[in-house]
Amino acid sequence: GAGVSQTPSNKVTEKGKYVELRCDPISGHTALYWYRQSLGQGPEFLIYFQGTGAADDSGLPNDRFFAVRPEGSVSTLKIQRTERGDSAVYLCASSEAENTEAFFGQGTRLTVV
Amino acid sequence: ILNVEQSPQSLHVQEGDSTNFTCSFPSSNFYALHWYRWETAKSPEALFVMTLNGDEKKKGRISATLNTKEGYSYLYIKGSQPEDSATYLCASSNQAGTALIFGKGTTLSVSS
Repeated sequence: GAGVSQTPSNKVTEKGKYVELRCDPISGHTALYWYRQSLGQGPEFLIYFQGTGAADDSGLPNDRFFAVRPEGSVSTLKIQRTERGDSAVYLCASSEAENTEAFFGQGTRLTVV
Repeated sequence: ILNVEQSPQSLHVQEGDSTNFTCSFPSSNFYALHWYRWETAKSPEALFVMTLNGDEKKKGRISATLNTKEGYSYLYIKGSQPEDSATYLCASSNQAGTALIFGKGTTLSVSS
């Protein structure tokens, strides 16, 4: 595809449930980022992949959050036992290399009720 | 995680005014500084990527400067237009192989 694709665009889930958010980066982009954006805030860093490995996962808020990128392309952000405080827009971005511009997807709006 | 600060948090100007805002970041182990423009209901869009001290980049009426020794970057908009209304984000990384960390953004509103 031409850009970064995120699915679903919206997800409503009940407190305590498990959710998976998917990111399809631009083909050939080795770097992939996950961010979380709450109302009125800039993107909050969650995790960064370089290829298949998580180069930096220091932004994951707790062990309920996990992300994978098994083949160095598509990434899945997984949230266990969701809480209302997890409600946010989850943004994915990819870039060709480390210091080149990042291209963002449209985001997944997660609402935990 | 890096602490990237942006100021002001929001700004309201009249059409035709020139304006600027600031991004500050830790200068130690600096690697790259990015500026993004984020319009409501859209994805952030890259404006500039800067790596060298003294870098100055320009795209139309928007330009940016970088001082890596003191840890700041300025974004300038000349002759603001209503279509410039957006949130402007900066992001920094401090070593090769580390993540881009964003500031909270400066929200610009331009009235006609």
